[in-house]
Amino acid sequence: GAGVSQSPSNKVTEKGKDVELRCDPISGHTALYWYRQSLGQGLEFLIYFQGNSAPDKSGLPSDRFSAERTGGSVSTLTIQRTQQEDSAVYLCASSLEPVGTQYFGPGTRLLVL
Amino acid sequence: GENVEQHPSTLSVQEGDSAVIKCTYSDSASNYFPWYKQELGKRPQLIIDIRSNVGEKKDQRIAVTLNKTAKHFSLHITETQPEDSAVYFCAASSGGSNYKLTFGKGTLLTVNP
Repeated sequence: GAGVSQSPSNKVTEKGKDVELRCDPISGHTALYWYRQSLGQGLEFLIYFQGNSAPDKSGLPSDRFSAERTGGSVSTLTIQRTQQEDSAVYLCASSLEPVGTQYFGPGTRLLVL
Repeated sequence: GENVEQHPSTLSVQEGDSAVIKCTYSDSASNYFPWYKQELGKRPQLIIDIRSNVGEKKDQRIAVTLNKTAKHFSLHITETQPEDSAVYFCAASSGGSNYKLTFGKGTLLTVNP
C-alpha cells in the first residue's frame, strides 16, 4: 500500500515568510510524528499526535512552530516568520499504534534564505 | 530527558567484514530501542528493534544486543556488502512516554568493495 507522503519535497523561502508543510500518513495509522533533521545531525522530535488525544508539543523549538492534524489523518506543520536556522529536512512518520514501528515519509527539505 | 550517544560517527570496513555501532542512553526507564538505516537522500527505514525484556535479537546478517544494566545497545552487521553503506541511527524511547524517540547523531558506514 501507499507509504507516508509529504509535500512539498523542497521549499525555498525568504527569511520572515511563513511556510506550511504537509504530511499524509499511512491509512489507518493513529499515531503521527514530526521530526527535524539538520545537516549531519540525528532526528529531533518535534510533535506527536495520537488519535483524538491532545498532541505532545514538547519538542517544538519555539512558538513560531505549530502543527495540526485534521480528521485524524493529514497533518500540517506551520513555521511562522521563518529564520535561517529553520533550514533543515522536516520528516513525518506514522505508526499503527503508539509504540509501533514508525514509518517515515521522504521529508521536506526547507531552505530559508 | 533522554540522551543518546552514538559511536563511531564514521566507520569504514572492507566488504565481508563485520561492523559494530554502539549507543548509550541515559533514561533507565527506556524500553524500546530501534535502529534505522538512511541511504543518501532517502527516508529512514527501520532495520531492527529490541525491547527491554530481550537481550539480543537477530535478523539474518543484522543483530542488536541490549545491556540494560550498563544502558547500552549495539548493532552488529556481519558479512557486510556495499549496499549496507548508509547512515545508521539508533534511538531510545523516553521512559515516561514510549512513543517519543530520542535519536543518536548517526554513524556513516562505508563498505569498500
